[in-house]
Amino acid sequence: GAGVSQSPSNKVTEKGKDVELRCDPISGHTALYWYRQSLGQGLEFLIYFQGNSAPDKSGLPSDRFSAERTGGSVSTLTIQRTQQEDSAVYLCASSWALGDTQYFGPGTRLTVL
Amino acid sequence: ELKVEQNPLFLSMQEGKNYTIYCNYSTTSDRLYWYRQDPGKSLESLFVLLSNGAVKQEGRLMASLDTKARLSTLHITAAVHDLSATYFCAVGGRGTSGSRLTFGEGTQLTVNP
Repeated sequence: GAGVSQSPSNKVTEKGKDVELRCDPISGHTALYWYRQSLGQGLEFLIYFQGNSAPDKSGLPSDRFSAERTGGSVSTLTIQRTQQEDSAVYLCASSWALGDTQYFGPGTRLTVL
Repeated sequence: ELKVEQNPLFLSMQEGKNYTIYCNYSTTSDRLYWYRQDPGKSLESLFVLLSNGAVKQEGRLMASLDTKARLSTLHITAAVHDLSATYFCAVGGRGTSGSRLTFGEGTQLTVNP
């Protein structure tokens, strides 16, 4: 079946612009997660959703980062006023339920010039 | 704060040889995962280990978990070139924080013909 999909696959933006990253989880998966992967920081947890609720936002690096999930399905990660240090690959994952194996999407490579 | 350390970080080995990657973590956890990442690709789930003494095997890879020592190993038997990739261990926290994975730094494995 279809896996986790993310769009866009690549995004180049200028410093100070806002960006939106989209994640479509595996159908039926109730939990959705965002991580980012960068050379300096490795793989970092950002936020997770159980249904449309985000009980744990502690991984978001700053208040410029926000995320929402609607209809228990698609999620959007928004970064406002992007900075060069936001450049990374943003990975989305989903699982049947909290604590189950997380299946990762292909990622969105964000480059902030 | 949960910390996860892998070693070695870089591993170059010849085809046909055996080797072990180690993953240490700092606090008690309910579950440990191993993922594989090919260059430019996303993370592929390999194993999930849920209890002390758990052992799982798939092809030339075998993972084990010792929760008392807070140690997991990924053993490679008779390596082949196709196993070249970066391998990550990831630990889920306990309770509600169990949904966020904390990743090790990754072990970049190169298998030479």
